[in-house]
Amino acid sequence: GENVEQHPSTLSVQEGDSAVIKCTYSDSASNYFPWYKQELGKGPQLIIDIRSNVGEKKDQRIAVTLNKTAKHFSLHITETQPEDSAVYFCAAIGQGGGSYIPTFGRGTSLIVHP
Amino acid sequence: NAGVTQTPKFQVLKTGQSMTLQCAQDMNHNSMYWYRQDPGMGLRLIYYSASEGTTDKGEVPNGYNVSRLNKREFSLRLESAAPSQTSVYFCASTGRGDEQYFGPGTRLTVT
Repeated sequence: GENVEQHPSTLSVQEGDSAVIKCTYSDSASNYFPWYKQELGKGPQLIIDIRSNVGEKKDQRIAVTLNKTAKHFSLHITETQPEDSAVYFCAAIGQGGGSYIPTFGRGTSLIVHP
Repeated sequence: NAGVTQTPKFQVLKTGQSMTLQCAQDMNHNSMYWYRQDPGMGLRLIYYSASEGTTDKGEVPNGYNVSRLNKREFSLRLESAAPSQTSVYFCASTGRGDEQYFGPGTRLTVT
């Protein structure tokens, strides 16, 4: 089955700095890679995603890059703000057999200091 | 449009008690999921339902049962709760676009 490794587990930055979270996956059949943000006491919320036919995707201050050859993808947050503080999860999904079963990384706790 | 809703938000059980966690979605999604979240472990899939009338085991199904009552509702039952089932439980659903939407979670403590 798929295995997703996520690093770092904790990331502390100053407001205005950039933050990068990296994930690797094992199954070359995975073709969809979403990122979720989970604020304290809430459920995960999709913030950006990328499919295997695209190398990079941006949405304002966040971007995701995908390297299919190396089987890794990364989340980039620029000009971080205190409200970016949360736990971020990556996931990898293949659609073999018609089932949509995400495999999640263990999460990165991002702390943005004012 | 409420998205994915879960009840209850909090629950305390004694070892051996049973309970059912309720989940409903109003987005007409075919697939629904139950996850548990423990510190440092990320989200682990308990059971999922690819479509109305079908259910399948995920990574950690032991001690749980599920029912896909109709297209909107997917419940998770603990028949005999154990302290190891203390966790936060999330329900989720997925539509055609692969985007997964999560509920607010149920925080369960088993003493």
